[in-house]
Amino acid sequence: GAVVSQHPSWVICKSGTSVKIECRSLDFQATTMFWYRQFPKQSLMLMATSNEGSKATYEQGVEKDKFLINHASLTLSTLTVTSAHPEDSSFYICSAPPGLAGGPLSEQFFGPGTRLTVL
Amino acid sequence: QKEVEQNSGPLSVPEGAIASLNCTYSDRGSQSFFWYRQYSGKSPELIMSIYSNGDKEDGRFTAQLNKASQYVSLLIRDSQPSDSATYLCAVNGGGNKLVFGAGTILRVKS
Repeated sequence: GAVVSQHPSWVICKSGTSVKIECRSLDFQATTMFWYRQFPKQSLMLMATSNEGSKATYEQGVEKDKFLINHASLTLSTLTVTSAHPEDSSFYICSAPPGLAGGPLSEQFFGPGTRLTVL
Repeated sequence: QKEVEQNSGPLSVPEGAIASLNCTYSDRGSQSFFWYRQYSGKSPELIMSIYSNGDKEDGRFTAQLNKASQYVSLLIRDSQPSDSATYLCAVNGGGNKLVFGAGTILRVKS
């Protein structure tokens, strides 16, 4: 199946700093990638849709100035958590649909996730 | 707002039994349905996708879809302890976005 990688797998930072998380599609091109957040014992919540060559689309309630998304190429999307606070501590997961390369557009393959802890 | 409902469980079954996981969704226009398995601390892994009414089988897994009842289920035959995980039902919410249920915790006891 399609492979999606994320880096770093975990990160610990101090309150007020910014953290960048990378999401890469390794064996296919992804014009669209999705960013999710998952708090303990809760389901995945979609934060935003990352679009190559255009602005990201954010879900209601997600601060676009705090969660900066850049889809720099057809294989890379980055999520930057700016001025992180302890309440931003969560499991951040990206996904990408392989589309014509590997299946129906709506099937998504997930990266391994990044666990962010803000002290 | 589009919703996906799942019983949070835990659902406990003995090893070798059939585990039955259920999911209902609110948007009658939904066309694509998925089951993901998520182990603790890991990201979701796609197990099954189903797009038309009826059953779809893949190894020990069978997905069942009933669009009239807005119901999708996952059967796991010959359950193994390694099947113990949280199973997430997801529905395409438009624009290739997925709407996830809260997940059902499955515990297979040896």
